[in-house]
Amino acid sequence: AQKITQTQPGMFVQEKEAVTLDCTYDTSDQSYGLFWYKQPSSGEMIFLIYQGSYDEQNATEGRYSLNFQKARKSANLVISASQLGDSAMYFCAMREFSYKLIFGSGTRLLVRP
Amino acid sequence: DTAVSQTPKYLVTQMGNDKSIKCEQNLGHDTMYWYKQDSKKFLKIMFSYNNKELIINETVPNRFSPKSPDKAHLNLHINSLELGDSAVYFCASSQDVYEQYFGPGTRLTVT
Repeated sequence: AQKITQTQPGMFVQEKEAVTLDCTYDTSDQSYGLFWYKQPSSGEMIFLIYQGSYDEQNATEGRYSLNFQKARKSANLVISASQLGDSAMYFCAMREFSYKLIFGSGTRLLVRP
Repeated sequence: DTAVSQTPKYLVTQMGNDKSIKCEQNLGHDTMYWYKQDSKKFLKIMFSYNNKELIINETVPNRFSPKSPDKAHLNLHINSLELGDSAVYFCASSQDVYEQYFGPGTRLTVT
């Protein structure tokens, strides 16, 4: 079974609107971490936001927020007020008991002017 | 002041050759990683070192050998390169189990 599932291979959003990128995960651990990374066309991997499994509040970083629903095992990324520079691949990742990150297959977001 | 740097950025070589990719981080982190991103953009962990000790060794052909001379450096040596090794290789670092910071990637093309 896949550990991290991103069901949206590609998405469009109008500039200045909000967009939600879906991520569901599968783990039997009680302690884990969830991450989102952005990969623009230039290729680098940029860390966006982190949510710990014991964090009671949803993580926020500027225009990024993580909608963490533990019972549903989902960790969706919400980008508010989309900008053209947000066009990129977005990866959800999970860390269980070890140091390694397990990545989803990614969602390609295109922001329309 | 690049946090995680990799050299070279591009590497084009022929099958059967041996090549190395170097990685350095100046963040003071204790853990470093190598990931492989294939042509479909799928990212997979290969190795991880914590304070110069190997802690993660995924199912990777033994033609791949990581070396960590100190906790700021993690190099990847690949012997007898094959066509299927063509990919982007990312180095990353973290402090303990927190967020990992990635290098710019090395695009390896084997012809």
